[in-house]
Amino acid sequence: DQQVKQNSPSLSVQEGRISILNCDYTNSMFDYFLWYKKYPAEGPTFLISISSIKDKNEDGRFTVFLNKSAKHLSLHIVPSQPGDSAVYFCAAKNTNAGKSTFGDGTTLTVKP
Amino acid sequence: EPEVTQTPSHQVTQMGQEVILRCVPISNHLYFYWYRQILGQKVEFLVSFYNNEISEKSEIFDDQFSVERPDGSNFTLKIRSTKLEDSAMYFCASSESPRVLQPQHFGDGTRLSIL
Repeated sequence: DQQVKQNSPSLSVQEGRISILNCDYTNSMFDYFLWYKKYPAEGPTFLISISSIKDKNEDGRFTVFLNKSAKHLSLHIVPSQPGDSAVYFCAAKNTNAGKSTFGDGTTLTVKP
Repeated sequence: EPEVTQTPSHQVTQMGQEVILRCVPISNHLYFYWYRQILGQKVEFLVSFYNNEISEKSEIFDDQFSVERPDGSNFTLKIRSTKLEDSAMYFCASSESPRVLQPQHFGDGTRLSIL
């Protein structure tokens, strides 16, 4: 039972353009959503999060949008930079439980 | 910036042997986790630990696994009798509290190779 899904295993964009990474979830008990970035040989690094009481959270070049009715969230990176090339994991949790449930990840490649 | 540290970075062990993976969580964090990632697969939750006891564990975390906080700074994962399928990256994470909107902070992982 895959509760968090990232249907695109990879995404390639030109430097300066927008990157949009998508994530879907099935468990309606999730109320906190996170995006992590992972470089090879490193652990996941927290990027940005959103609570279920919001529909948008912005931090610099990164914006996360949440559509609760569709159980869908997306991460927008504008403008994309070559250093953004990494694997991006969507994760979800219920704030009454500690664990996060991760998606499969999307490998983003930003071409110069 | 404080970080989660894990040792060793790579552990090679014969099948059937015991292995202990070590983690030093961020000092003011109270909630600790182990996750693993088998090559090419997703990051999977193993166990969470709070107030010196397991809070939650997944079906992966069977009797071969145990966790311990032997002192005020270390958090360990022990696998008693390793199997080939235990080969994976093991990530330790910590957070201030699970009931606050706080992310988990991850270490860089230990690559466990079972021969």
